[in-house]
Amino acid sequence: GIQVEQSPPDLILQEGANSTLRCNFSDSVNNLQWFHQNPWGQLINLFYIPSGTKQNGRLSATTVATERYSLLYISSSQTTDSGVYFCAVESQAGTALIFGKGTTLSVSS
Amino acid sequence: DTEVTQTPKHLVMGMTNKKSLKCEQHMGHRAMYWYKQKAKKPPELMFVYSYEKLSINESVPSRFSPECPNSSLLNLHLHALQPEDSALYLCASSQGSGQGIEETQYFGPGTRLLVL
Repeated sequence: GIQVEQSPPDLILQEGANSTLRCNFSDSVNNLQWFHQNPWGQLINLFYIPSGTKQNGRLSATTVATERYSLLYISSSQTTDSGVYFCAVESQAGTALIFGKGTTLSVSS
Repeated sequence: DTEVTQTPKHLVMGMTNKKSLKCEQHMGHRAMYWYKQKAKKPPELMFVYSYEKLSINESVPSRFSPECPNSSLLNLHLHALQPEDSALYLCASSQGSGQGIEETQYFGPGTRLLVL
């Protein structure tokens, strides 16, 4: 099945810093989503982005489908950005999301 | 409205108990999912329902029994669970049209299950 690798596994930032999270995947995808899981366990949709670039406030994402990777950019980080960021993909042959292991982000004030 | 609701939020049960988890969405989605998430791990797919029919069972033990009574509701019946089944159980839904349109999955807040 499709493999999903996220890097870095852990990231520690000071408030106001920028960061880039990466997601590599091993096969062509129909669906790629970025999620933020807050400390209470809620998975919050950030982007649906199987290809192209999207922006939403301080967050943006780019997926280069031909090279099988996606990037999530967080600018001017805030303490509320802390949590685990997951990339999840659905292959063209598959029918459900496969999650990467996540990047744990800690933002301190 | 992009809300998926789950009840209960927390559940403690013994190994001989029978309990059920409930998931509801009113977005008109036709695909619904159950995921299991252990601490510090990513969610793992358990079941997929498409148009109220079970389409994927990821080799889940029979002590977990899913049910989709209608297009808005998804249940997970639990019986004779083991302590290692303690986890966060997440429900999700998506359009389910399978015709190449955006298939964003929306997740509920989860049920934290502890099996004693």
